[in-house]
Amino acid sequence: DSGVTQTPKHLITATGQRVTLRCSPRSGDLSVYWYQQSLDQGLQFLIQYYNGEERAKGNILERFSAQQFPDLHSELNLSSLELGDSALYFCASSALASRETQYFGPGTRLLVL
Amino acid sequence: GQQVMQIPQYQHVQEGEDFTTYCNSSTTLSNIQWYKQRPGGHPVFLIQLVKSGEVKKQKRLTFQFGEAKKNSSLHITATQTTDVGTYFCASDGKLTFGQGTILTVHP
Repeated sequence: DSGVTQTPKHLITATGQRVTLRCSPRSGDLSVYWYQQSLDQGLQFLIQYYNGEERAKGNILERFSAQQFPDLHSELNLSSLELGDSALYFCASSALASRETQYFGPGTRLLVL
Repeated sequence: GQQVMQIPQYQHVQEGEDFTTYCNSSTTLSNIQWYKQRPGGHPVFLIQLVKSGEVKKQKRLTFQFGEAKKNSSLHITATQTTDVGTYFCASDGKLTFGQGTILTVHP
């Protein structure tokens, strides 16, 4: 158990819909990262937040957005969903902004039908 | 952007054989991290290498960082069935993960 929690564990939805994935970092960690893992794309970094502020942006689509709240939990919002958005979405946390050891959550498996 | 290439994509070994995965970058890396993801699990941090030419060992695992800090390797001696999983390298700069090497170990 990494100490990072993600909800929900599984999500099935339809194309065009919007979903929100939630992540709670390890106690004391200020940075939260979001990753997308699909079979053909490997592990893709989406976005990083540090202490409530966006810190780094990766391959995140405009249809996706994220935020980190004052209690440091984070949400990843995926809208206008497409079949290709079906993937595992991982959240990770680290103590600081410098991307040292990251602790990954169990992931949310999203299936878009 | 910064890219990290990892080879091989798949590796099948008999239990007891050695295994090596390689990570290569076209640019100099500030550091490199290695992760292991068991089937159905999430990536778990193994180690971080920072210095040029650095070598670190964890039991049967040996990690190396190239002198030019453009490549790295993970070597497992005498694989066991518990080593099964996907091994990723990741560069710190843009949090770029390699595609991973999927290791299967036949008992």
